[in-house]
Amino acid sequence: AQSVTQLDSHVSVSEGTPVLLRCNYSSSYSPSLFWYVQHPNKGLQLLLKYTSAATLVKGINGFEAEFKKSETSFHLTKPSAHMSDAAEYFCVVSRSGAGSYQLTFGKGTKLSVIP
Amino acid sequence: DTAVSQTPKYLVTQMGNDKSIKCEQNLGHDTMYWYKQDSKKFLKIMFSYNNKELIINETVPNRFSPKSPDKAHLNLHINSLELGDSAVYFCASSQVGREGHNEQFFGPGTRLTVL
Repeated sequence: AQSVTQLDSHVSVSEGTPVLLRCNYSSSYSPSLFWYVQHPNKGLQLLLKYTSAATLVKGINGFEAEFKKSETSFHLTKPSAHMSDAAEYFCVVSRSGAGSYQLTFGKGTKLSVIP
Repeated sequence: DTAVSQTPKYLVTQMGNDKSIKCEQNLGHDTMYWYKQDSKKFLKIMFSYNNKELIINETVPNRFSPKSPDKAHLNLHINSLELGDSAVYFCASSQVGREGHNEQFFGPGTRLTVL
């Protein structure tokens, strides 16, 4: 079984300040982990992924995440928030099965950026 | 050059009607998925097809029937629509078996409103 817990349903930051979106996972095997972003009324876009290579993963738009097995965490960070970062962010764990990957989504964290 | 496309983008219909949502991917992937996003933004897998074969079939009413005419298309047909079917439906695709390339690519979503 696998699960994901996003620890904050809503995070609000000022423009230019750091962003931290927290995610803990549970998995019976070595997981693949992802962060997706969903802007209002849009589809989901992949920000970054961890697939057992480097534990510090860099993604698009200046985001990065660190896989910490001992803490079962995969927190998303960005040094300086931009207004365009305001969106819903989903932490996702993937399990491989016969012929497909089953994604389990967290409940999402809404990021607000204050000018 | 859209990777995963869905039609229609919006669908408004009456209770009891039958409707279909179409999905096409031009990424050459062999696996396609349908997800449902509820009003609280929670995303849940509904179905997965690999090379036109059903792989994942989560607990959804049998009023929902996916159809895959070829590996680039996965359509979702819904019979006897109910108010609770109102949601945003996302199609996605991935290539299974490629090391380090297990992310899913999502379509823009179809917002279904049942009146």
